[in-house]
Amino acid sequence: DIQLTQSPSFLSASVGDRVTITCRASQGISSYLAWYQQKPGKAPKLLIYAASTLQSGVPSRFSGSGSGTEFTLTISSLQPEDFATYYCQQLSSYPRTFGQGTKVEIK
Amino acid sequence: QVQLQESGPGLVKPSETLSLTCSVSGGSISSTNYYWSWIRQPPGKGLEWIGYIYYSGSTYYNPSLKSRVTISVDTSKNQFSLKLNSVTAADTAVYYCARGYSYGYQPFDYWGRGTLVTVSS
Repeated sequence: DIQLTQSPSFLSASVGDRVTITCRASQGISSYLAWYQQKPGKAPKLLIYAASTLQSGVPSRFSGSGSGTEFTLTISSLQPEDFATYYCQQLSSYPRTFGQGTKVEIK
Repeated sequence: QVQLQESGPGLVKPSETLSLTCSVSGGSISSTNYYWSWIRQPPGKGLEWIGYIYYSGSTYYNPSLKSRVTISVDTSKNQFSLKLNSVTAADTAVYYCARGYSYGYQPFDYWGRGTLVTVSS
């Protein structure tokens, strides 16, 4: 199985901050990576796929980059509705696996 | 707008079988463009992919659960289902169904709201 390791696991930030989350894969996955946002009691929501393609309807302050084994999710200016847990997922091979999550909380 | 809705018992006894159904509306489960997956999330923990089914009935299961999992599809009802047998407390989780593309970079673009299944006597 491909292991995904996110860092940090927890992040405290203020509204307006630039936030970066990293996802590292245990082996190369090209650009087969997606990012999801999950709020308490809700299903995950697709933000980015193919490592850097913004899903329709997702604000442009979200961006993704990377390929191979290292990927980043950046929120350019954190908004109140962005406080949530973020997961990366690899779609290169089976079984599909997720990172352990990064919880973004209000400072 | 595609919608997915999980349904099934919220409480299952240890050693019994967990059974859930995902009803799809706003789109056809028989589309060649999508796989239909089950994912679960234990309380306070991360996401675990259980497996997928294609409209034709072909499946792929997570090896960690393969011996206990069956996913089936009913195209006439636009539904797919999950059975997990011999459950223990470790199977207590919110169970989600989701749609994933069968081509390209294959993200999961639509998810159900999830249903909490508790394993307890």
